[in-house]
Amino acid sequence: DTGVSQDPRHKITKRGQNVTFRCDPISEHNRLYWYRQTLGQGPEFLTYFQNEAQLEKSRLLSDRFSAERPKGSFSTLEIQRTEQGDSAMYLCASRGGGFNYGYTFGSGTRLTVV
Amino acid sequence: AQKVTQAQTEISVVEKEDVTLDCVYETRDTTYYLFWYKQPPSGELVFLIRRNSFDEQNEISGRYSWNFQKSTSSFNFTITASQVVDSAVYFCALSEGGWRGGSNYKLTFGKGTLLTVNP
Repeated sequence: DTGVSQDPRHKITKRGQNVTFRCDPISEHNRLYWYRQTLGQGPEFLTYFQNEAQLEKSRLLSDRFSAERPKGSFSTLEIQRTEQGDSAMYLCASRGGGFNYGYTFGSGTRLTVV
Repeated sequence: AQKVTQAQTEISVVEKEDVTLDCVYETRDTTYYLFWYKQPPSGELVFLIRRNSFDEQNEISGRYSWNFQKSTSSFNFTITASQVVDSAVYFCALSEGGWRGGSNYKLTFGKGTLLTVNP
């Protein structure tokens, strides 16, 4: 068990470009979350998957954002037509069923839009 | 809606001092969970503790202790004899959940407290 992996660790992109991030959860965890953390703030919930089903999306997730979790394994978060306001740390977390299983967070992908 | 308030933005102490980080929460649920996470400069969120709303016992783990008081909706965190390695941002978080079906247990975080421990 290598924990939750996120790729890439850092991404610098020009405004208007599309970017995609990947999250590999702990293999036996069927629940996966994406959070966004801007400078000086706590992480904010973006979206939640249970297996392959996306069960909740925050209003923070504008139309330019899309997340998928094909086959209930890894997940991708895509941002289209990036804006400077998208610059943030994108954190992925996973957990197993029931709440005796705690969250495990990945190290995050830091996005800088220039 | 749930909310977590960490009123202390930054705290600076000298090594070996005790320090308490405050956390006040709001929720309409009777069943919920409270967390503390540590975020060192590397950025990774490190889990410290989880408490459920039915367990108000205080907890001690080494130099760390937590005081949960439902009457004041607070879940404060104390580090005894602080060390330089304790320097980090600390987040308090809340998750609503319980016996009803469909809860996704998403976390609502406070804005964090930056703790600097000076040698």
